[in-house]
Amino acid sequence: KAGVTQTPRYLIKTRGQQVTLSCSPISGHRSVSWYQQTPGQGLQFLFEYFSETQRNKGNFPGRFSGRQFSNSRSEMNVSTLELGDSALYLCASSFSPKAGAPYNEQFFGPGTRLTVL
Amino acid sequence: KNEVEQSPQNLTAQEGEFITINCSYSVGISALHWLQQHPGGGIVSLFMLSSGKKKHGRLIATINIQEKHSSLHITASHPRDSAVYICAVFLRGEAQFYFGTGTSLTVIP
Repeated sequence: KAGVTQTPRYLIKTRGQQVTLSCSPISGHRSVSWYQQTPGQGLQFLFEYFSETQRNKGNFPGRFSGRQFSNSRSEMNVSTLELGDSALYLCASSFSPKAGAPYNEQFFGPGTRLTVL
Repeated sequence: KNEVEQSPQNLTAQEGEFITINCSYSVGISALHWLQQHPGGGIVSLFMLSSGKKKHGRLIATINIQEKHSSLHITASHPRDSAVYICAVFLRGEAQFYFGTGTSLTVIP
């Protein structure tokens, strides 16, 4: 089975721009979670999508949004970029057999490294 | 607030040494993950635990639910084990992961 893929792998943007990152989960996985990793804050949970619905959300401002398509692929969008948004953005997919299943092992993609100038 | 505490933050070992990385958490959890991150960013899930002990090759992970503590052991360490090891807990009732700050391991030949 192919692993989780993320595109693009590297991105450079300037303040005020917006960006869209893409994640393709492992075939058969319906849950996709997004994480931000920075040197100062470490890994932090952004949100999780399951069957095209946002199931859980972390503590990030509304500039961070996402969506999931019917094929389970997911995108996350960051609007009005700030310097502090420079980070490695990771997505992870898991086989979640039903909504409300509390936890399943996560498989991570290689990440998208975003630099905001 | 720090739901997850890892120690040590940095660890340097000679090849062949036995290594232990610790993770403590403050509230009830549904499960705990040990993750490995190599330079370049990619994260690999090593173990998922909710009780007891698991072993894969030279890696052993244990969890003590009553003491809210988990350990990751590496036997006969090798330079290719050099990476950052991250503990992540799935908090009961919050439906999301909280991550430790990571332990940076360097194994010297």
